[in-house]
Amino acid sequence: KNQVEQSPQSLIILEGKNCTLQCNYTVSPFSNLRWYKQDTGRGPVSLTIMTFSENTKSNGRYTATLDADTKQSSLHITASQLSDSASYICVVSAKQSNAGKSTFGDGTTLTVKP
Amino acid sequence: NAGVMQNPRHLVRRRGQEARLRCSPMKGHSHVYWYRQLPEEGLKFMVYLQKENIIDESGMPKERFSAEFPKEGPSILRIQQVVRGDSAAYFCASSPPWGENTEAFFGQGTRLTVV
Repeated sequence: KNQVEQSPQSLIILEGKNCTLQCNYTVSPFSNLRWYKQDTGRGPVSLTIMTFSENTKSNGRYTATLDADTKQSSLHITASQLSDSASYICVVSAKQSNAGKSTFGDGTTLTVKP
Repeated sequence: NAGVMQNPRHLVRRRGQEARLRCSPMKGHSHVYWYRQLPEEGLKFMVYLQKENIIDESGMPKERFSAEFPKEGPSILRIQQVVRGDSAAYFCASSPPWGENTEAFFGQGTRLTVV
């Protein structure tokens, strides 16, 4: 069964600090992995998409890594801001599947405090 | 270039009534996906549609729920005889034909409250 596990479930950090969110998956055969940011009461917004051959991808202060051998991904946030407070969702797609069959993690809720 | 538009943003229905949720995909997108998010939980896939076709409805409850994406107009998610447990945020996403690097863009959701 395809699964995506995210950790930690929630995280509180001080403004300006860095943090790393984890995503472990068992989706096979792997096609791509996406990280989304979901602000409270809003729809998810894509941060990065990574395919099998990509190890690292950055989007501003967000850097995602992918280890396809260990089936792990991380999202690193640098110099956190109050606006980074949100839920971060890891989504993994299998080959020959569609977006609907993508497997969603339950998200990590990040709170950035002043 | 407008994003995925969902309406209404908030919908209140009494038990037993019907709820109709609308989703207009991004321009040029022919694929629509519906998800449900219960309070404090993750997104759960419901249904995947192309124009005039249901491709995958494996996440749809067997009764009371239906979805369509007509040739003209928005995609509609219909919930008949709503119950309290239907209260949730319903998100729609759209994309071009799905591939390895395809982006799916989400709307802002419709928050359904059943009273």
